[in-house]
Amino acid sequence: AQTVTQSQPEMSVQEAETVTLSCTYDTSESDYYLFWYKQPPSRQMILVIRQEAYKQQNATENRFSVNFQKAAKSFSLKISDSQLGDAAMYFCAYKGLRSGNEKLTFGTGTRLTIIP
Amino acid sequence: GAVVSQHPSWVICKSGTSVKIECRSLDFQATTMFWYRQFPKQSLMLMATSNEGSKATYEQGVEKDKFLINHASLTLSTLTVTSAHPEDSSFYICSARDLRQGSSSYNEQFFGPGTRLTVL
Repeated sequence: AQTVTQSQPEMSVQEAETVTLSCTYDTSESDYYLFWYKQPPSRQMILVIRQEAYKQQNATENRFSVNFQKAAKSFSLKISDSQLGDAAMYFCAYKGLRSGNEKLTFGTGTRLTIIP
Repeated sequence: GAVVSQHPSWVICKSGTSVKIECRSLDFQATTMFWYRQFPKQSLMLMATSNEGSKATYEQGVEKDKFLINHASLTLSTLTVTSAHPEDSSFYICSARDLRQGSSSYNEQFFGPGTRLTVL
């Protein structure tokens, strides 16, 4: 079974600074997707960024980028120029690509606080 | 975009009653929807996978007879919590998989805004 581990229950960063959230996972599959989701106080889950395991290039979405280390099974999220609206719970998630196994496995989350 | 709605957004019920939560994909058809449960300050735990036209697939430890799932159409899945008890109080979230060919979000899951259930 796949597991996703987020070792940082809480993180804080000064506004406009950069912060990195950690995520590691365990799987025996060779092809899969990894995601970072944001859950603000509204509780609506929002996709931040997605990485396909077969792609060596790290995904980037504006101020958000990942450091994907497949051999180490590590998938960290870097938020640059942090903004007050970035304050939320961040969940790392894994999805295999085998047919019939489309479910997402979530980590325990990291609560990010932005300090004005 | 792909929008998923849930109704109601919150519900309070008495112990022993049943509550139905609806999950709708508004601008796409979803053959597969997922139901999650989230306790305060915890992660999302998958309860079941809802498949249009067939029985839902439940995760280990989830009571099938207590959490009834019906995927009545390509845009609607319902979760009924039967004989609800205070320990069923939680935040329930659904998601739907976008399988529109050519979509930039193909195979991505889109989440509903969630339903907060409080059982007194």
